[in-house]
Amino acid sequence: GNSVTQMEGPVTLSEEAFLTINCTYTATGYPSLFWYVQYPGEGLQLLLKATKADDKGSNKGFEATYRKETTSFHLEKGSVQVSDSAVYFCALDLNAGGTSYGKLTFGQGTILTVHP
Amino acid sequence: GAGVSQSPSNKVTEKGKDVELRCDPISGHTALYWYRQSLGQGLEFLIYFQGNSAPDKSGLPSDRFSAERTGGSVSTLTIQRTQQEDSAVYLCASSPRQTYTDTQYFGPGTRLTVL
Repeated sequence: GNSVTQMEGPVTLSEEAFLTINCTYTATGYPSLFWYVQYPGEGLQLLLKATKADDKGSNKGFEATYRKETTSFHLEKGSVQVSDSAVYFCALDLNAGGTSYGKLTFGQGTILTVHP
Repeated sequence: GAGVSQSPSNKVTEKGKDVELRCDPISGHTALYWYRQSLGQGLEFLIYFQGNSAPDKSGLPSDRFSAERTGGSVSTLTIQRTQQEDSAVYLCASSPRQTYTDTQYFGPGTRLTVL
């Protein structure tokens, strides 16, 4: 079956540090890949996505590149801020012929804490 | 515009009672999804609707769980004879239509506690 594996957390960084959160996946077919973020006290929201191999998703200084050869979608940010403290979820949504399977498979989530 | 809303935001119930959780999707969104977020299992898919029909119910944990959607809009997730392991945050999401490029927009969730 489909699965997503994220690096274990929590991750604690100082402000302006470089961030990498690893994500690898197992899937049959050609999934779309997502990073969702959950800020304290708020709901899940889409951070970025990529729908095919070699696509790069980017938003708010975060980037992730869809690597089919390594089945990975690692999240990176060059300089984190205190406001980036949140839980980050990697996810996939398998598609076939342009129709999604209608469900997201999530990784276990990575808690990021950024200190001033 | 208005996002996905869910009610109640918190629900505490006794073991064995039935509960109903409500989701109001974004207006015009034809696809609706239910997920569950728990400490032990992480984020799990439960069911999704395209219009009023549910092509995939594969994530429902047992026959105590059911869901319906009426008028292509509001959805209700019902849990009968609740058990302590049902305690979790139940999330609803909607998207404009069922294609792989669509973003799912999540509601704030209903936190269910079964005593």
